[in-house]
Amino acid sequence: GDSVTQMEGPVTLSEEAFLTINCTYTATGYPSLFWYVQYPGEGLQLLLKATKADDKGSNKGFEATYRKETTSFHLEKGSVQVSDSAVYFCALRVNAGGTSYGKLTFGQGTILTVHP
Amino acid sequence: GAGVSQSPSNKVTEKGKDVELRCDPISGHTALYWYRQSLGQGLEFLIYFQGNSAPDKSGLPSDRFSAERTGGSVSTLTIQRTQQEDSAVYLCASRGLGRNEQFFGPGTRLTVL
Repeated sequence: GDSVTQMEGPVTLSEEAFLTINCTYTATGYPSLFWYVQYPGEGLQLLLKATKADDKGSNKGFEATYRKETTSFHLEKGSVQVSDSAVYFCALRVNAGGTSYGKLTFGQGTILTVHP
Repeated sequence: GAGVSQSPSNKVTEKGKDVELRCDPISGHTALYWYRQSLGQGLEFLIYFQGNSAPDKSGLPSDRFSAERTGGSVSTLTIQRTQQEDSAVYLCASRGLGRNEQFFGPGTRLTVL
């Protein structure tokens, strides 16, 4: 079945450090890939997405590239801020051919804490 | 409304009682999803409604869980004879036709004593 594996956390960084959160996936069909973020006390928000191989999603300084050859969608940011402290979830959605078209399959989440 | 809303925001119940959780999706969104977020299991898919099609119930953990969507809009998730392992945050999301993004509600935190 479909699955997403995320780099285990928690991750603790100093402000302005470089961030990478690894994400790899296994999927039937042709998935769309997503990163969602959950800030403290808030709901899940879409951070960025990519719908086909080699697409790069970007938002708020975060980037992730859909790598079909390595089945990966690693999240990166060049210079993190304290306000980036949150839980980050990698997710996939199978677009066609899967038995559960439409649902999101999530990774386990990575807690990021950024210190001043 | 502007976003997905859920009620109640918090629910505390006793083991064995039934509970109903409500979701109001974004107006016009044809797809509606329920997920569960718990410490031990992470974020799990429960059920998916798409228009008038039969719902995808493949994620429901037991026959104590059921959901309906009335008039293609509001949805209710019902848990019968609640157990302590049902304690979790229940999230609802909706998606527009042909769109990729699911918009999530704030969730209902269920605590079963």
